[in-house]
Amino acid sequence: NAGVTQTPKFQVLKTGQSMTLQCAQDMNHEYMSWYRQDPGMGLRLIHYSVGAGITDQGEVPNGYNVSRSTTEDFPLRLLSAAPSQTSVYFCASSSLFGLAGSYEQYFGPGTRLTVT
Amino acid sequence: EDQVTQSPEALRLQEGESSSLNCSYTVSGLRGLFWYRQDPGKGPEFLFTLYSAGEEKEKERLKATLTKKESFLHITAPKPEDSATYLCAVGAGGTSYGKLTFGQGTILTVHP
Repeated sequence: NAGVTQTPKFQVLKTGQSMTLQCAQDMNHEYMSWYRQDPGMGLRLIHYSVGAGITDQGEVPNGYNVSRSTTEDFPLRLLSAAPSQTSVYFCASSSLFGLAGSYEQYFGPGTRLTVT
Repeated sequence: EDQVTQSPEALRLQEGESSSLNCSYTVSGLRGLFWYRQDPGKGPEFLFTLYSAGEEKEKERLKATLTKKESFLHITAPKPEDSATYLCAVGAGGTSYGKLTFGQGTILTVHP
């Protein structure tokens, strides 16, 4: 049981390049989400999904796309990278059931992205 | 707007010196208050979920408590390996589904 995995761990992009950050979970969780973590800003929600084929925007969605074709995978796409997207990106997953529902989330190890 | 404030920003303790971290929150419709531990270069590691005022949970040297306005993370006889950033977050109904609002964290350093 690997939990939530993310690849790559580190990435450097040039402005305007595109790329996909990969996220997978093996806990059969319905809910998956992407956060970015910036100094002084804390963790902020980018996009989330409550199941295969269902996605929605979070707090800071501009410049990012997501799709969810399987329960296990939830990739995050940067369409045209900008220096403002330099950050650490975390994927998280949760069951939709239980008292805390989608809020009791388990995080992956993160991808550190630098855009020059 | 949901808000979470953690204090202090940084805390230095000697090994064995017990203390508490504070998390104050304002939220509409609390669905849960969550404590995470984050080591440098790693993702947040889930510690506790608290649902209602008066609830307490323990794990090794850590004990989390919840009131209607704040939560405390008590650390008893800490060890150097307890050094990390401790994050508090709330989940609230009425916002983006599953959105956690995080505090800025408390950086805990325990000296041997």
